[in-house]
Amino acid sequence: QKEVEQNSGPLSVPEGAIASLNCTYSDRGSQSFFWYRQYSGKSPELIMFIYSNGDKEDGRFTAQLNKASQYVSLLIRDSQPSDSATYLCAAFTGTASKLTFGTGTRLQVTL
Amino acid sequence: ETGVTQTPRHLVMGMTNKKSLKCEQHLGHNAMYWYKQSAKKPLELMFVYNFKEQTENNSVPSRFSPECPNSSHLFLHLHTLQPEDSALYLCASSQGRLGGVAPLHFGNGTRLTVT
Repeated sequence: QKEVEQNSGPLSVPEGAIASLNCTYSDRGSQSFFWYRQYSGKSPELIMFIYSNGDKEDGRFTAQLNKASQYVSLLIRDSQPSDSATYLCAAFTGTASKLTFGTGTRLQVTL
Repeated sequence: ETGVTQTPRHLVMGMTNKKSLKCEQHLGHNAMYWYKQSAKKPLELMFVYNFKEQTENNSVPSRFSPECPNSSHLFLHLHTLQPEDSALYLCASSQGRLGGVAPLHFGNGTRLTVT
């Protein structure tokens, strides 16, 4: 079983729609979770992090965490073509001081 | 310059060559990392340095040799690589060692091709 699992996609959404990106993790000791965006040929850049159950909003982005279900999601409202990228989910486990990445989900926002 | 800069951006090398990748961070961070990114695979942590001391080596083959002369510079020395080592090598830094909510700041990476 992969430690951090993401659907590789591509996930295709029309411009203006809500994109929903999902991530599950296997280590119940994971404490904080990160979403990175990576444009083709570029390096990953942090979008959001979350460590408490519930929702965390930042502009058009909302991260959701459900530790009981071991599930993290990223919602992008009013999707724009510039949001087209690969989104990497990462889980941090403090006891092991370990940050584990998923393989990423490729998002395509179509006109 | 700001952020994390890596050189070269692209590198093609034969299996018998010796080359080095360079990373420099201008963020005042104390921790630096080497990651390997291969197609269809998660980012793999290779090495961690905290205040220029190596704190983690994730079972990386000895043909990869890191060097961290100070908190701002990180090198990855390469020798006798294999074709399967072809990948994007990313350098990153953070304020505070891999932890809690300290985000990683990545460089643009070196695309390595081993022929």
